[in-house]
Amino acid sequence: QQQVKQSPQSLIVQKGGISIINCAYENTAFDYFPWYQQFPGKGPALLIAIRPDVSEKKEGRFTISFNKSAKQFSLHIMDSQPGDSATYFCAASPLYNQAGTALIFGKGTTLSVSS
Amino acid sequence: ETGVTQTPRHLVMGMTNKKSLKCEQHLGHNAMYWYKQSAKKPLELMFVYSLEERVENNSVPSRFSPECPNSSHLFLHLHTLQPEDSALYLCASSPRTGPRGDTQYFGPGTRLTVL
Repeated sequence: QQQVKQSPQSLIVQKGGISIINCAYENTAFDYFPWYQQFPGKGPALLIAIRPDVSEKKEGRFTISFNKSAKQFSLHIMDSQPGDSATYFCAASPLYNQAGTALIFGKGTTLSVSS
Repeated sequence: ETGVTQTPRHLVMGMTNKKSLKCEQHLGHNAMYWYKQSAKKPLELMFVYSLEERVENNSVPSRFSPECPNSSHLFLHLHTLQPEDSALYLCASSPRTGPRGDTQYFGPGTRLTVL
C-alpha cells in the first residue's frame, strides 16, 4: 500500500512532441505528489508538485494532472526538447507527521527526446 | 558552497573496510535524509533526521550507521558492507520538520562500489 507505480519505464519522444508519464498509488493517506527530474551525475531536483485539492497544476511546459478518485497522477511535458532528456520520478508523501516528510518514489522513467 | 554537498563523490571499498559518507547542507534546513538509489529500483529512504534526532530508520541493516552532529551535517558510517550495497547514496534536506509538502533538496550523491 506504500508503493507508487510509475510507467512507462522508458520513453522516446520527438522534439516538439508531448511526453506523458503516469503514476498510480494505493494509499489514500498520501496528500503531496511531487515530480523530480534527475540528470546523469546529479541528484534529483524538484520539478513540480501538486496537492489533491486541485486537479491540475501547470508550470511552463510542465503540467501535472491529478485524478483523486482513480488515485492516479501524470506529468505532461509539452513541446519536449532534447534538454528534457532525463530520468523522471514521481513521488508521494503521507499525511503530516512531526518529522521530516518521507517521500515514496516511483521507479523512474527515462525520457529521451530526439532532435 | 550552496545547496547540498556530498563527499566523496565516488568510493570503492572492500567488504572489510570502514568508511564514512558526508553530507552538508547550506540551506538552513531542519530535516536531513539518506536515500539509496540502485539500478532499476525506486529510491529507498534509509534514515530521516529531524532537528538532529533520528525519526525514521527504514529497516536498514546495522552495517549502515547514521550520525547527525548538527542540523547542517549528516554522516553515513559504513562497515562490513556487501557487494549488493553498491549503489548511489543520496543525501537530501528539507526546510521544515512538520508541515505537509516539504520540498526535499538532494545532493549529487556518492557512487559506492563494494568489492
